[in-house]
This record gives sequence, C-alpha cells and structure tokens, in this order.
Amino acid sequence: GQNIDQPTEMTATEGAIVQINCTYQTSGFNGLFWYQQHAGEAPTFLSYNVLDGLEEKGRFSSFLSRSKGYSYLLLKELQMKDSASYLCAVQTGGGNKLTFGTGTQLKVEL
Amino acid sequence: DAGITQSPRHKVTETGTPVTLRCHQTENHRYMYWYRQDPGHGLRLIHYSYGVKDTDKGEVSDGYSVSRSKTEDFLLTLESATSSQTSVYFCAISAGTGVTDTQYFGPGTRLTVL
Repeated sequence: GQNIDQPTEMTATEGAIVQINCTYQTSGFNGLFWYQQHAGEAPTFLSYNVLDGLEEKGRFSSFLSRSKGYSYLLLKELQMKDSASYLCAVQTGGGNKLTFGTGTQLKVEL
Repeated sequence: DAGITQSPRHKVTETGTPVTLRCHQTENHRYMYWYRQDPGHGLRLIHYSYGVKDTDKGEVSDGYSVSRSKTEDFLLTLESATSSQTSVYFCAISAGTGVTDTQYFGPGTRLTVL
C-alpha cells in the first residue's frame, strides 16, 4: 500500500523560514510533488523532485532523499499570503498517478 | 492557467439521484484524472483516463463511473448519489509526455448530497 505522512499543522512568523516534512512508503516511485492549496481553491503546483537533492525555485525549495523516503519543502521570507495547506504527493506507476498526504496547514503570523 | 474548467461548480442533490460532473480542457492533454477531497483524507484518486475511451480505476472508484469520448472532456457520473459522496471534486490533467509528469488542477466542484 501507499503511506504518506506530514504534520497536520504548523505556525510560523512572517519573514521567518519554515520546513515542512514529508515521509513516504510507496510501491514504486516516479517523483515527489509539492502543491499549495488556499482555502476554497484548487491545489497549485509548487515543485517536484525526481533525484536526490535540493531543487530551488525562488523562495521555495524542495529536498528529496529516496533512500530514506523523505522530503521537505522549505519556505523562506514567509509572507502572510503563504498561509495555506501544503500537500505532499508521490507519483507512481503507469498513468503517473499521484498519492497525496493529508496536507500541512501552515499559519503565518505577524 | 492550465485551461481546465469544471461544471457545475456547485451542486446540491438528493440521495438516489444520478449526477454527472464535467471536466473540460483546451490543451489536448493525454491524461485526465478525477479526485475527491475530504477533511482528514486529503485528495484521493477516483478514476483516470490515458486517452479517448481509455480509463482505469483509482483508489476510491466504487459508486463512480467515467467516460471520455473526446480528448477534451472527461465525465464523472454518480449513478445513484449517496451522502458519503458529499465532497469537493477536482479534475486534473497532465501532458503524459514523460515518466514524471506534473498534474494541474481544475477549480473544483462542490457536491452536496442530502
């Protein structure tokens, strides 16, 4: 079966850095994706990792360790608009199916 | 904007009635997916399609059927809606050009079954 774990909630301060962890146990692995979802809206794509290491995209970075079944999303210079749910998803098998974690609700405070 | 629309955006229906949700894309992508999202469960795959008339089941397919007669349209049907199918339904598309393929989501349909 597929199992993806991430913390339910996190709180951080505007301007700070926050790291959202994701661990996974899946049969097969094509890649790991991170999405952002604001309340009442659709998920929007942030980043993906296929190989081990760090991928940087502006204020957002994502890291993957395939041997450890572990990824994290790093958000720098936090802004109030970063308050959202962050979804970790593993892509497996034919059809590029995604299995999602339950999401981490991030609250950014002043 | 990945050129994905869903209709209707909101629907309230009664238990036992049939319901069809439509996903429409304008960019000729090969793969289309239907997910449902519920508190505490995250996004779960219902069915997906890898081409016209080619579909397969996902994790939570019981009670749902799909059809894809044209590249641009992917329909999700609840033959006889139940209260447990109250949820937010998202359609997604991907180009299907590689082993790793980014999915992009439509705006969602909020379905309430009374």
